[in-house]
Amino acid sequence: DGGITQSPKYLFRKEGQNVTLSCEQNLNHDAMYWYRQDPGQGLRLIYYSQIVNDFQKGDIAEGYSVSREKKESFPLTVTSAQKNPTAFYLCASSSGRGGNTIYFGEGSWLTVV
Amino acid sequence: GDSVTQMEGPVTLSEEAFLTINCTYTATGYPSLFWYVQYPGEGLQLLLKATKADDKGSNKGFEATYRKETTSFHLEKGSVQVSDSAVYFCALQAVKAAGNKLTFGGGTRVLVKP
Repeated sequence: DGGITQSPKYLFRKEGQNVTLSCEQNLNHDAMYWYRQDPGQGLRLIYYSQIVNDFQKGDIAEGYSVSREKKESFPLTVTSAQKNPTAFYLCASSSGRGGNTIYFGEGSWLTVV
Repeated sequence: GDSVTQMEGPVTLSEEAFLTINCTYTATGYPSLFWYVQYPGEGLQLLLKATKADDKGSNKGFEATYRKETTSFHLEKGSVQVSDSAVYFCALQAVKAAGNKLTFGGGTRVLVKP
């Protein structure tokens, strides 16, 4: 089936550790995105990539890093510099053209203790 | 900058009641507008969209009309079911937005009781 796969679904980490969230899509989409959702709040854009080997900061990029070495993959690393990393992380993709739908994965819950 | 404002929830309804969730936006030009739905513990699913003024998006009994004059995109459903309980997000995609990114409202939680 075509879609966006995020893993792991649930992740627990100790404070001070880096953690990488995986996102893979088989929709042949050019653009990929990472959003963060805090409880009871809307989504905020962390990073996006419109093409392989290129990515741009979103509204809340501090403490995060990404790579886009392959079209289908866009992993997100939550570094120890991120002050409040506990959140629900959503990966998304689209064809990259304006007006086209952005599709979301099932999300990853990260809890830092 | 671009922004989306939704009515705050939670909205609690009885089954078969009429649902309206208000959404207004601020953007330059004529953005594309979207409604997404999020069921508990899941990602977002596109519910409907409209890409130009006066367009009506519809899906699963939900409707929303792109109103340029009032910069609104209110979501409506005539008869809700318990299975419609979810969080609903209004979003816009600005013309020439960097990366065609979406700007979201804060979400409205809807609870439908039997």
